[in-house]
Amino acid sequence: GAVVSQHPSWVICKSGTSVKIECRSLDFQATTMFWYRQFPKQSLMLMATSNEGSKATYEQGVEKDKFLINHASLTLSTLTVTSAHPEDSSFYICSARGTVGQGSNTEAFFGQGTRLTVV
Amino acid sequence: GQQVMQIPQYQHVQEGEDFTTYCNSSTTLSNIQWYKQRPGGHPVFLIQLVKSGEVKKQKRLTFQFGEAKKNSSLHITATQTTDVGTYFCADNTGGFKTIFGAGTRLFVKA
Repeated sequence: GAVVSQHPSWVICKSGTSVKIECRSLDFQATTMFWYRQFPKQSLMLMATSNEGSKATYEQGVEKDKFLINHASLTLSTLTVTSAHPEDSSFYICSARGTVGQGSNTEAFFGQGTRLTVV
Repeated sequence: GQQVMQIPQYQHVQEGEDFTTYCNSSTTLSNIQWYKQRPGGHPVFLIQLVKSGEVKKQKRLTFQFGEAKKNSSLHITATQTTDVGTYFCADNTGGFKTIFGAGTRLFVKA
């Protein structure tokens, strides 16, 4: 299947600082990427959908000014957690779909996830 | 908004026993997907069901889509310790995005 690479796999940051997470589709063009957050023993909650070259669409209750999403190219989307606080500590996962070839209309290909700990 | 309900929340089985997880939706689904997430890992796509009453098999895993396309199930025959993980059903009816059920955590005792 298609490969989605997410970096970093884990990060520890101080409260008040910002953290950027990258999500790359390595072997296909991802016109749409999705960002999820998963708390321990819970399901994946969709945070936002990002389309290449346009603004992300955020789910209800997700602060767009706090979780900045950029999808500047067909292979890269970034999520920046701004002014992170301990309650932002979570597992963040991206997934990607393309429109041609791999990931066109079936499964979502997931990155490995980023475990964020804010201290 | 769209929501898929998934039960049970968790299940403990002895190795060799069968396991089933169920998903239900209040609205008709155009398709349903199933994913597996190992502890500490990320979700991995298993299958997509599209047709009413569809049944698909992958070795010991059997996936069903209800006649009304409002429910689905995943059944594992003779579980093995490698089956441990959380199984999610997911609805990607709402346009292009994928909404996950709560998941069922499977524990297998050797």
